[in-house]
Amino acid sequence: NAGVTQTPKFRILKIGQSMTLQCTQDMNHNYMYWYRQDPGMGLKLIYYSVGAGITDKGEVPNGYNVSRSTTEDFPLRLELAAPSQTSVYFCASSYKGREQYFGPGTRLTVT
Amino acid sequence: GQQLNQSPQSMFIQEGEDVSMNCTSSSIFNTWLWYKQEPGEGPVLLIALYKAGELTSNGRLTAQFGITRKDSFLNISASIPSDVGIYFCAGPKTSGSRLTFGEGTQLTVNP
Repeated sequence: NAGVTQTPKFRILKIGQSMTLQCTQDMNHNYMYWYRQDPGMGLKLIYYSVGAGITDKGEVPNGYNVSRSTTEDFPLRLELAAPSQTSVYFCASSYKGREQYFGPGTRLTVT
Repeated sequence: GQQLNQSPQSMFIQEGEDVSMNCTSSSIFNTWLWYKQEPGEGPVLLIALYKAGELTSNGRLTAQFGITRKDSFLNISASIPSDVGIYFCAGPKTSGSRLTFGEGTQLTVNP
């Protein structure tokens, strides 16, 4: 199993551009999550999903959107990139909402 | 709300030394998770604890679920340079579908 995969690994965006961060898991987990981690800081939850078709906001959802049309995929959309969204983004999945398994991350810089 | 306080925030040790870190909360947790994040990588689950008083080992790592259910401890014996990273504790929020994370303990091991 590949576990949780994320693409791209790195991205540089100009202010105002849009992009989608991709996340796929092959463990048949119902729960999926998006976190951001700023330098030297902990993990902040952006959005999460408890199953296909169900999404909910986390602590820091502003400026982001998600969708969950399949069990495997949970893309994160940035519509109008801002410098404050420069961060490392991690996707995670979980079977029952407890043990979460993380992807390798996407490093995003907005200039 | 449910907050997790980790201490120490950072540790600088010599190779071969033992390491102890802990995680405390004002709320009761039913599960404690310990993650390690190496530079440039996503967090990796090290140990999961499910019962008060439980002591679980993973190689040189040993974690304990505190009897009060409000704390957990992680010990690393005979540290080596590859132990470098940030160690996070985590526990499920009351809703069960999300985790609360500590702010992490940054470990540096000098060869």
